Amino acid sequence: GAGVSQSPSNKVTEKGKDVELRCDPISGHTALYWYRQRLGQGLEFLIYFQGNSAPDKSGLPSDRFSAERTGESVSTLTIQRTQQEDSAVYLCASSPSNRAVYGYTFGSGTRLTVV
Amino acid sequence: KQEVTQIPAALSVPEGENLVLNCSFTDSAIYNLQWFRQDPGKGLTSPLLIQSSQREQTSGRLNASLDKSSGRSTLYIAASQPGDSATYLCAVYAGNMLTFGGGTRLMVKP
Repeated sequence: GAGVSQSPSNKVTEKGKDVELRCDPISGHTALYWYRQRLGQGLEFLIYFQGNSAPDKSGLPSDRFSAERTGESVSTLTIQRTQQEDSAVYLCASSPSNRAVYGYTFGSGTRLTVV
Repeated sequence: KQEVTQIPAALSVPEGENLVLNCSFTDSAIYNLQWFRQDPGKGLTSPLLIQSSQREQTSGRLNASLDKSSGRSTLYIAASQPGDSATYLCAVYAGNMLTFGGGTRLMVKP
């Protein structure tokens, strides 16, 4: 597609429920990142995928968070047993292999509200 | 570990002023530096990217410079307009990591 697409754009869920967030990267982009941005705060790294390599999960805040990506396609971020502190905007970015030249393109994000 | 710092955290200027946003990073072994713009409640767009071999990039009224050896970048906005109001984020790409600064919240008053 022309840009990075994220869905849903907004999600309100009850505490304790599981949610799944989707990121559709730009076609052909090998690298994909997930970031979290809490209200009024900076971007917090969550997880990084590069092609078929093992993902860098070092930013996931707890074992309630997991993410998957098959090859260079869609990625899903799953949050189990959501808590109120999970409320944030979840941003996805993708980049081609020569990202030193082209950098990263971000989606519009998913605003998650846990009530 | 790479750390990125942006100064000032917030800036309010009258329309028409020229302004400079600053970004510093601790590890100079970077591949590139991107300046992003974030409007309230929206995602990030990137008006400028500077590769590590470059010294500056220009896009319209925006000019970004990079001094890799000293770990600094500046974003210069000429003749600021109310539509420039947003948060500006600096991010460096090194290793396999994209590291962000905390951002500068810019308000341009009519």
